[in-house]
Amino acid sequence: GDSVTQTEGPVTLSEGTSLTVNCSYETKQYPTLFWYVQYPGEGPQLLFKVPKANEKGSNRGFEATYNKEATSFHLQKASVQESDSAVYYCALGITGNTRKLIFGLGTTLQVQP
Amino acid sequence: DMKVTQMPRYLIKRMGENVLLECGQDMSHETMYWYRQDPGLGLQLIYISYDVDSNSEGDIPKGYRVSRKKREHFSLILDSAKTNQTSVYFCASSFGQGNTEVFFGKGTRLTVV
Repeated sequence: GDSVTQTEGPVTLSEGTSLTVNCSYETKQYPTLFWYVQYPGEGPQLLFKVPKANEKGSNRGFEATYNKEATSFHLQKASVQESDSAVYYCALGITGNTRKLIFGLGTTLQVQP
Repeated sequence: DMKVTQMPRYLIKRMGENVLLECGQDMSHETMYWYRQDPGLGLQLIYISYDVDSNSEGDIPKGYRVSRKKREHFSLILDSAKTNQTSVYFCASSFGQGNTEVFFGKGTRLTVV
């Protein structure tokens, strides 16, 4: 079936350090891959998406490459800020008759000043 | 302004009572979703609606039903609520198929006592 697996949290970092959140997916279809971010008291919101294999998406200093061969979509940021503290979700978008968005379990990031 | 609105934001119900969660969107999106979010379980899809009166079960539909009579509105109904349905419920919408951005509401925190 279709599934997404990502780094378990929480992840605690100091400001200025680098972040990697691993995400791997499984599907027999042709997905679009997303990273969503959720701040306290809010619903998830799109960070960025990548519809094509071997392309990179980025926003607000975060980036991820859709690696079709490795079925991975790892989120990276070179230097995190306290304001990046949030829950990050990797998601798999399926098109066709059963179109839906499948989320990973989420990774809580806490950035300490 | 692109928005998904959920009402109410907080709700306390007794076990066995019926619950109605309402959701509206102002983007004329054809696809709408109901998710629930629980600690350690991430976002789980309850139902998906592809348009008016075109609804499909998600991964955890048991104990829930939905209604979509207008494209802008999507309701989640719990007949005879149970304590294990205590959760945060998110409504979301998207244009077209699973390769487009999904917009989320702010959530409804339901407590069943």
